[in-house]
Amino acid sequence: EIVLTQSPGTLSLSPGERATLSCRASQSVSSSSLAWYQQKPGQAPRLLIYAASSRATGIPDRFSGSGSGTDFTLTISRLEPEDFAVYYCHHYGTSPLTFGGGTRVEIK
Amino acid sequence: EVQLVESGGGLVQPGGSLRLSCAASGFTFSTYSMNWVRQAPGKGLEWISYISSGSGTIFYADSVKGRFTISRDNAKNSLYLQMNSLRDEDTAVYYCVRPILAGYYNPFDNWGQGALVTVSS
Repeated sequence: EIVLTQSPGTLSLSPGERATLSCRASQSVSSSSLAWYQQKPGQAPRLLIYAASSRATGIPDRFSGSGSGTDFTLTISRLEPEDFAVYYCHHYGTSPLTFGGGTRVEIK
Repeated sequence: EVQLVESGGGLVQPGGSLRLSCAASGFTFSTYSMNWVRQAPGKGLEWISYISSGSGTIFYADSVKGRFTISRDNAKNSLYLQMNSLRDEDTAVYYCVRPILAGYYNPFDNWGQGALVTVSS
């Protein structure tokens, strides 16, 4: 099983700032098998990025994904008020499918 | 518009059973594989089961293997999760989830609103 470790656990930032979230895999994974989701309180997760760097339909271009091997990054270039949420990385290349523990982006 | 609507959640005693349903609309259900993902209160996401479009391939997470059964009825555009021998640690919101493409190894682009299952005496 591939374990995904996200850091930091919580990121405290102000609107307009840049957010950099990390996801580290316990072994090398294919870049085509790494996704990022956003989840707000009381809502289901929303797909942001798949295949490490492809934005899902309707996702603003301030969200970008990068990385390969065991290290992946989600970057939010300029935080908007609606971006404060929890973010999860997800590996879907091998069984079982796994998720990281999440990073909470909170208003500073 | 894709819609996934779960039902059947509720309070059940440890050792009890519950059946979740997911009604799908807005897409050709019979051509997509489907999954269940759960989230314990205040915790992260856990994938628990997959079923292929024709029900020929099924996978489970180790945490539910032997206790949960996934199934589908393509004529009724419905997905199911039969949960037996429930434990306290099964308490969670259960999401019905559709992948972006048919097949197991794909990300999830459509989620239901979730059904809360509480296992407690």
